[in-house]
Amino acid sequence: DQQVKQNSPSLSVQEGRISILNCDYTNSMFDYFLWYKKYPAEGPTFLISISSIKDKNEDGRFTVFLNKSAKHLSLHIVPSQPGDSAVYFCAASIRDDKIIFGKGTRLHILP
Amino acid sequence: KAGVTQTPRYLIKTRGQQVTLSCSPISGHRSVSWYQQTPGQGLQFLFEYFSETQRNKGNFPGRFSGRQFSNSRSEMNVSTLELGDSALYLCASSLVPGARADTQYFGPGTRLTVL
Repeated sequence: DQQVKQNSPSLSVQEGRISILNCDYTNSMFDYFLWYKKYPAEGPTFLISISSIKDKNEDGRFTVFLNKSAKHLSLHIVPSQPGDSAVYFCAASIRDDKIIFGKGTRLHILP
Repeated sequence: KAGVTQTPRYLIKTRGQQVTLSCSPISGHRSVSWYQQTPGQGLQFLFEYFSETQRNKGNFPGRFSGRQFSNSRSEMNVSTLELGDSALYLCASSLVPGARADTQYFGPGTRLTVL
């Protein structure tokens, strides 16, 4: 059973526009959420995280929003740049237990 | 500061064989986690080691095993390989275990192909 779901396998966005990547989770016990970015032939790199006690966390062009009642989080990238083209993984964990990843969303930034 | 290194980067094996993959964490990092990445399943957690002890384990058969040495280097072993074991195996290290205390730093992975 997939506890962390990224229902969009891919997303195409015009350069300069906002990219919104979505993630849903089923386990209400998750209390920490992360986003990772992965380029081909490289390992994932940590992007941004959010604790369940918050509903928003911002870091430069990246903002993560958490809606606990809907068990939904999203990653906003503004403005989108060509280097943002990558696979984005949403992940969640309970306290310091193992991290559960989604299947990823491939983001294409169009010129 | 050197990153996480994984060897070998690419490996081709045949069904029934066994394989050992190696991971050297960032200097000073004591926690090592292993993940399997396949196109259909994304990243799936295999196990986590901290101070030479397996701290957590994912839902994989007993053919998948691992260990950690006193210098924090870790190995994972897959016995009796099956075609479905073809995947990218990623190792990640962190100062301490869990998502809270630190972020994980991933290596480039070992691409295993089983024929």
